[in-house]
Amino acid sequence: DQQVKQNSPSLSVQEGRISILNCDYTNSMFDYFLWYKKYPAEGPTFLISISSIKDKNEDGRFTVFLNKSAKHLSLHIVPSQPGDSAVYFCAASASTSYDKVIFGPGTSLSVIP
Amino acid sequence: DVKVTQSSRYLVKRTGEKVFLECVQDMDHENMFWYRQDPGLGLRLIYFSYDVKMKEKGDIPEGYSVSREKKERFSLILESASTNQTSMYLCASSLTGARGTGELFFGEGSRLTVL
Repeated sequence: DQQVKQNSPSLSVQEGRISILNCDYTNSMFDYFLWYKKYPAEGPTFLISISSIKDKNEDGRFTVFLNKSAKHLSLHIVPSQPGDSAVYFCAASASTSYDKVIFGPGTSLSVIP
Repeated sequence: DVKVTQSSRYLVKRTGEKVFLECVQDMDHENMFWYRQDPGLGLRLIYFSYDVKMKEKGDIPEGYSVSREKKERFSLILESASTNQTSMYLCASSLTGARGTGELFFGEGSRLTVL
């Protein structure tokens, strides 16, 4: 049973508009959440993270929102650029289990020029 | 520049062969991980290690074993490869307490095909 879910396998957005990628989790022990970006034939790279003590974290065009009661987080990219086209993985970890990081299945984002 | 290096980008093996996937990191990280990536399933954790000679099972350890004899090197072993182990294998490393930075550093991946 997947502990981290990304229910949209793919998403297409027009350049300049907002991209919203969603993620849900089931394990209430998770207290740290991360987003990774992956281009084809490359390893994933870290994008942004958020601790469970916060509900928002912003870094340039990227903002992550966390709703603990709903066990839901989302990544907003504004404005979207063609170079943002990639697979985005949501991930989570629990401070009780070393640094084990669990990933979701990913959402493939296409930003159309 | 920090680096995680996986020994082979592409491998083709036959069913029943023993397969070694090697990973080396040059960042003096305590933690090392092996994931496999499959379409629709994302990255699934096979094994991880938080110190030399220490290992913990991930979510899908069956059919795999690991070795960490030195801090910088983490090996994934398929004792008897099967076709359902055809996948992209990704190695990663992180500092202990990496949650503060959130950063796993990944290698470029090893695509294994088992015939």
